[in-house]
Amino acid sequence: EVQVVESGGGLVQPGGSLRLSCAASGFTVSSSDMHWVRQAAGKGLEWVSGIGTSGSTVYADSVKGRFTISRENVKNSLYLQMDSLRAGDTALYYCVRGEKGFDDWGQGTLVTVSS
Amino acid sequence: QSVLTQPPSASGTPGQTVIISCSGSSSNIGNYYVSWYQQLPGTAPKLLIHTNDQRPSGVPDRMSGSKSGTSASLAISGLRSEDEADYYCAAWDASLRGHVFGPGTKVTVL
Repeated sequence: EVQVVESGGGLVQPGGSLRLSCAASGFTVSSSDMHWVRQAAGKGLEWVSGIGTSGSTVYADSVKGRFTISRENVKNSLYLQMDSLRAGDTALYYCVRGEKGFDDWGQGTLVTVSS
Repeated sequence: QSVLTQPPSASGTPGQTVIISCSGSSSNIGNYYVSWYQQLPGTAPKLLIHTNDQRPSGVPDRMSGSKSGTSASLAISGLRSEDEADYYCAAWDASLRGHVFGPGTKVTVL
């Protein structure tokens, strides 16, 4: 069974950093496109970043230069390094496996940026 | 402001058909596949439709997708109370070089 489990969320001050992790099971992260999608409370979905099977990465303009997506094949995990965090980054962050679309979603990890 | 446009709400009585539209441009829907997602209250989104009109296994055939030009639609037939949810369309956008979601449509079963 395909499963992704996010962790690493929490409360951080503006300008701070946080690293989100996503542990995958039932499939190989390096053989799948992987994404981070976020959702602010009461708002819609916003795609944040993706990494392809070749290792190529793409980012939403809103996070470009501040966030870095990566994966670790040995741990079969996906990561999102978030720097220079802003209040507008406050959201539930989902790790998503992409195959035909955004196929398999985790339950999310909450990031709150506040002083 | 999303580059994809959806109506904020849609409603119907049990058994009716509800159609949700998703309008874009040649940089997204016009040249790339559309997918649709259902998000029940308090839960993670679920893939309903991929590649414009394909249903993953387990998705009932009451859910159907279509695409024409720079617009796409999701039809929910035989509406049920458990269909009350938010529905999002998504596509790749070549101008933005990233994926985009529509703002979402809240479906209410009257």
